[in-house]
Amino acid sequence: EVQLVESGGGLVQPGGSLRLSCAASGFTFRSYWMHWVRQAPGKGLVWVSRINNDGSSISYADSVKGRFTISRDNAKNTLYLQMNSLRAEDTAVYFCAREGYSSGYWFDPWGQGTLVTVSS
Amino acid sequence: IQLTQSPSFLSASVGDRVTVTCRASQAISSYLAWYQQIPGKAPNLLIYAASTLQSGVPSRFSGSGSGTDFTLTISGLQPEDFATYYCQQLSSVPPTFGGGTKVEIK
Repeated sequence: EVQLVESGGGLVQPGGSLRLSCAASGFTFRSYWMHWVRQAPGKGLVWVSRINNDGSSISYADSVKGRFTISRDNAKNTLYLQMNSLRAEDTAVYFCAREGYSSGYWFDPWGQGTLVTVSS
Repeated sequence: IQLTQSPSFLSASVGDRVTVTCRASQAISSYLAWYQQIPGKAPNLLIYAASTLQSGVPSRFSGSGSGTDFTLTISGLQPEDFATYYCQQLSSVPPTFGGGTKVEIK
């Protein structure tokens, strides 16, 4: 079964740091581009970052550029998101997702999400 | 690229035909996907390449459009279809999402 499982969320104070992990199974992780998407409470989906299959190409949303770092360990089948200088507006459920392609692109599957709460 | 979904909310009955529209601020060819999200769950891919049904998704879901205007149609709404639906463009980075359409029971 193709599966993504996030972990690492929690409560952190403004200005703090947190590292999220996304463990992949059931597919050849090193062959796929991966993404992080977040969803603030009661709000819509917002793309955060992406990384290509070997980690050589990375992009970020402007709102997190310079504060978040995406990375991957293909030997461990794991995607990461290092989040520094966290702000209240970073409070959200963070999802990892696999990018697929066949005549078009898509995100599938998605992990179950991990909640990050930034508050004093 | 901005995506504008309409309506943002709709109330419908079981068996109804429902249409959600998604308009892109610039042409995106057919690089559009649709997702369904049930509260407390992750988004689930329904359609990609504007009109290709993802494996395992019921045939009552269909998508159409290209360029800037797209539609998601549910033909014969079922109780499990009451959820929020999002469009997403994957033509360029960042891969943006529409604001969502919440489908509720009338």
